[in-house]
Amino acid sequence: GQNIDQPTEMTATEGAIVQINCTYQTSGFNGLFWYQQHAGEAPTFLSYNVLDGLEEKGRFSSFLSRSKGYSYLLLKELQMKDSASYLCAARIGTALIFGKGTTLSVSS
Amino acid sequence: GAVVSQHPSRVICKSGTSVKIECRSLDFQATTMFWYRQFPKQSLMLMATSNEGSKATYEQGVEKDKFLINHASLTLSTLTVTSAHPEDSSFYICSARDKTGPNYGYTFGSGTRLTVV
Repeated sequence: GQNIDQPTEMTATEGAIVQINCTYQTSGFNGLFWYQQHAGEAPTFLSYNVLDGLEEKGRFSSFLSRSKGYSYLLLKELQMKDSASYLCAARIGTALIFGKGTTLSVSS
Repeated sequence: GAVVSQHPSRVICKSGTSVKIECRSLDFQATTMFWYRQFPKQSLMLMATSNEGSKATYEQGVEKDKFLINHASLTLSTLTVTSAHPEDSSFYICSARDKTGPNYGYTFGSGTRLTVV
């Protein structure tokens, strides 16, 4: 079966840097998405990695190592509004299979 | 571009009744649509994948007779929860895929909060 793991909860303070890890064991892996989700809302796209390496987009960066089945999302200069759930999702075929999500709480 | 409209956003129904949720791609044609269920403080669980004009493919453990999916056109998919029970109360989200669309082709609806009483 498909297995995608991420920490359940993380806390950080404003202005800090936080790294959210995601490990996966899947078959038919095509790429790794990261989404942000606020409670009761649809997920918002953050990044997509297909090849190994780091993708940087403003305050957010995402890294993928296909050989290790590992990805992380790096959030810099944290703001209170970054408090949300962060979901990693493996693209298997055409479907997205989500991890359980990491709830990030940012405090002042 | 790439907007997916999902409605209703909230619905309350009585046990034993059926509820239909619509997912519509407004400005693109979605060859594939996905239905997810999300319980409180949990992640999205894929229920089924539907391709226009063909039967949906359900994930293991999802009852196809209870969760009826129809994808009759390239812009509309519906999920009908039949004979709903309180344990079906959840947040249901659809996603439509357009290979040439933004965000690598996956656009999500805004979700439907179903409460069965």
